[in-house]
Amino acid sequence: EVQLVESGGGLIQPGGSLRLSCAASGFTVSSNYMSWVRQAPGKGLEWVSVIYSGGSTYYADSVKGRFTISRDNSKNTLYLQMNSLRAEDTAVYYCAREFHDILTGWYYFDYWGQGTLVTVSS
Amino acid sequence: QSVLTQPPSASGTPGQRVTISCSGSSSNIGSNTVNWYQQLPGTAPKLLIYSNNQRPSGVPDRFSGSKSGTSASLAISGLQSEDEADYYCAAWDDSLNGHVVFGGGTKLTVL
Repeated sequence: EVQLVESGGGLIQPGGSLRLSCAASGFTVSSNYMSWVRQAPGKGLEWVSVIYSGGSTYYADSVKGRFTISRDNSKNTLYLQMNSLRAEDTAVYYCAREFHDILTGWYYFDYWGQGTLVTVSS
Repeated sequence: QSVLTQPPSASGTPGQRVTISCSGSSSNIGSNTVNWYQQLPGTAPKLLIYSNNQRPSGVPDRFSGSKSGTSASLAISGLQSEDEADYYCAAWDDSLNGHVVFGGGTKLTVL
């Protein structure tokens, strides 16, 4: 059974840093495209970052230069290092596995974690 | 402001058919398939429709999707109280910094 479990959220002051983790089971993180998606309180979904199976990484403009996505293959875990946090980064952060088939053009998030809340406030 | 445009709310009575629209552009919906996610209150999003009109295993056939040009829609027939949720459309975007873009979400109320 595929499972994604996020952790590491909490209350942090503006300018601070936080590292989120997403422990995966039932599949291999390094063989898949993995994304972070966030949802500000009462707002919609916003894609944050992706790491491809080959290791390439991409970021939304809103977090570029501040956030870093990575993975630990030995722990089958995805990470999001968040630096220089701002109030507008306050959100529930979800990790999600991407089904990514270039041949068919089918790209979608097939599994999501339960999310971890990050609150940036003084 | 979300890249894909959805109505903020929709409603219907039990048994009714409701549709939710999603409008985009040539770089996202016009070039890629559309997915729909259902988010029940207090839970994570769940894949509802992928590749415009495909249902994952376990999703009732009351849910259907379609796409035409740069727009897509989700239809729910035989509306049930447990369908009350937020619905999001999404598509990959071919623009320089795009990966996936979402609609702003539609809150469906079952009256």
